[in-house]
Amino acid sequence: AQSVTQLDSQVPVFEEAPVELRCNYSSSVSVYLFWYVQYPNQGLQLLLKYLSGSTLVESINGFEAEFNKSQTSFHLRKPSVHISDTAEYFCAVSKAAGNKLTFGGGTRVLVKP
Amino acid sequence: EAEVAQSPRYKITEKSQAVAFWCDPISGHATLYWYRQILGQGPELLVQFQDESVVDDSQLPKDRFSAERLKGVDSTLKIQPAELGDSAMYLCASSFPGTLNEQFFGPGTRLTVL
Repeated sequence: AQSVTQLDSQVPVFEEAPVELRCNYSSSVSVYLFWYVQYPNQGLQLLLKYLSGSTLVESINGFEAEFNKSQTSFHLRKPSVHISDTAEYFCAVSKAAGNKLTFGGGTRVLVKP
Repeated sequence: EAEVAQSPRYKITEKSQAVAFWCDPISGHATLYWYRQILGQGPELLVQFQDESVVDDSQLPKDRFSAERLKGVDSTLKIQPAELGDSAMYLCASSFPGTLNEQFFGPGTRLTVL
């Protein structure tokens, strides 16, 4: 079975400052890795994913995440946050295509002006 | 842009009553998922369909929960009777074969059981 741990439940950060959201996973098999974002009263939106290849993946709105197999981590970073990045962020893993997602507990990011 | 539709968006009910949620996936998406998200936690899979067949319902409390996808398109999740601990967001997602598991989520149904 897989499990996902997001080490920080809340991360307050000032606008234009960098942010890092930590995610560690455990699995006995290779996995696909995902970050989803959830804005208030909305469903989840895929932010970025790692399936294979380059261990550094980027999203269109400035987020990036790096897959580290030896540390079983997939931390999410953004060098400069905006007020609009205030949301909850979920790390998730999946064993294979078409399989269920196993989510972490989420990290709530609050961007302050 | 195609979206996953869910209704109702909000539902308040009393314990022991029956409730039902509806999901219409993106057209052509053969795989449909129902997740439950308790406040402050990540979503957990309740049931997964491939077309009209159940692929995984290992975490579905079958004594009170049921799910169906009769024609392999839209789906209904039912709770009978509802309990206080069922208060949560119920999320539906769908995916298209071959997209390496990119799941698209609907806006969810927030259930409050009084």
